[in-house]
Amino acid sequence: ILNVEQSPQSLHVQEGDSTNFTCSFPSSNFYALHWYRWETAKSPEALFVMTLNGDEKKKGRISATLNTKEGYSYLYIKGSQPEDSATYLCASSLSGNTPLVFGKGTRLSVIA
Amino acid sequence: NAGVTQTPKFRILKIGQSMTLQCAQDMNHNYMYWYRQDPGMGLKLIYYSVGAGITDKGEVPNGYNVSRSTTEDFPLRLELAAPSQTSVYFCASSYSRGAEAFFGQGTRLTVV
Repeated sequence: ILNVEQSPQSLHVQEGDSTNFTCSFPSSNFYALHWYRWETAKSPEALFVMTLNGDEKKKGRISATLNTKEGYSYLYIKGSQPEDSATYLCASSLSGNTPLVFGKGTRLSVIA
Repeated sequence: NAGVTQTPKFRILKIGQSMTLQCAQDMNHNYMYWYRQDPGMGLKLIYYSVGAGITDKGEVPNGYNVSRSTTEDFPLRLELAAPSQTSVYFCASSYSRGAEAFFGQGTRLTVV
């Protein structure tokens, strides 16, 4: 089972600040990298799925980049809002019939 | 479409009791997963399946069993409940290993 690391573990920012998180994963036999948003008392929901080195994806104020050669992905939130408060999970899978393995997440709190 | 349906939503078990957590999906997904959420630990993979009749262990399989007799259903069995199995359990499914995972609403299990 591969090891997916996320940092920081938690983050407190002021409303309007921009922020970013890191996800590290094994670069050997890489297949896909996922980002999920997980609000308290709800289920995780997918933000992005990326497979190609250099991929950049954007959804509103949230964007993500992928570097498969060095094994990392960044998630950026521009102009954080209180409704962005959630845990952001990164997950990766390898080639072959391998499962999706999650990191421990980054808990973001946006203070109004 | 209902998506991924988990039952029950809540359950309290006594030590040594058994139970089955049900998970069903109506999206014709091949991949199905069981995760448990422990505080500060994100989602830990218990078991996964890449298709009917095929199951494999994840990171924390001890004390659990699964079966996948149909594409739709992926039940998780706890044979002898222990306090360490107190957790929130999430079932998820995806069309393929690189595709977005869809989660059920979770089952909150307490073993006393």
